[in-house]
Amino acid sequence: EAGVAQSPRYKIIEKRQSVAFWCNPISGHATLYWYQQILGQGPKLLIQFQNNGVVDDSQLPKDRFSAERLKGVDSTLKIQPAKLEDSAVYLCASSLAGSETQYFGPGTRLLVL
Amino acid sequence: QKEVEQNSGPLSVPEGAIASLNCTYSDRGSQSFFWYRQYSGKSPELIMSIYSNGDKEDGRFTAQLNKASQYVSLLIRDSQPSDSATYLCAVSLSGGYNKLIFGAGTRLAVHP
Repeated sequence: EAGVAQSPRYKIIEKRQSVAFWCNPISGHATLYWYQQILGQGPKLLIQFQNNGVVDDSQLPKDRFSAERLKGVDSTLKIQPAKLEDSAVYLCASSLAGSETQYFGPGTRLLVL
Repeated sequence: QKEVEQNSGPLSVPEGAIASLNCTYSDRGSQSFFWYRQYSGKSPELIMSIYSNGDKEDGRFTAQLNKASQYVSLLIRDSQPSDSATYLCAVSLSGGYNKLIFGAGTRLAVHP
């Protein structure tokens, strides 16, 4: 069974530019999560989808971050404009509906210069 | 703000010893607790989950939970150099939606 796929794996941009990350969860997983992991910290939940609906985006900086999961399968996370403090690894995870077991993708490492 | 606290380490143990990793949490209503292992440059990987007070064993790993004291621990027996990684404690918040709060992790170094 294929795991959670993410792309790109690495991205370097200048501050004030925009960037987008893509995630394809494990087949059949209704719940999709985007996390931000800053170096030396644990992952912090940015947004959680149940199918194509948002169930938690309380820690998403909505002035610059947006995410969508239009067909309830893959998802895109966007940052516009990026700031230096957005440098982090962006992790996507998925789980079966109602399950607390989350499976993580390889992550996208973002560096903002 | 619900929190999960871990000692950042590094925790250094010799090969073959028992490594003990600890975690405390603030949400008294939490019912589900997880330990993830994260190798440098890799994504977190679930190694243990625990839901009831007491011990849960899986191979060389034992998770311990004490809800009254709000702490969770992970013991790794017969530690191997391949166990060297950061161990993340995660707690599922009460209130639904399976939201996990992660600690900052404890870095474990097992030396030969």
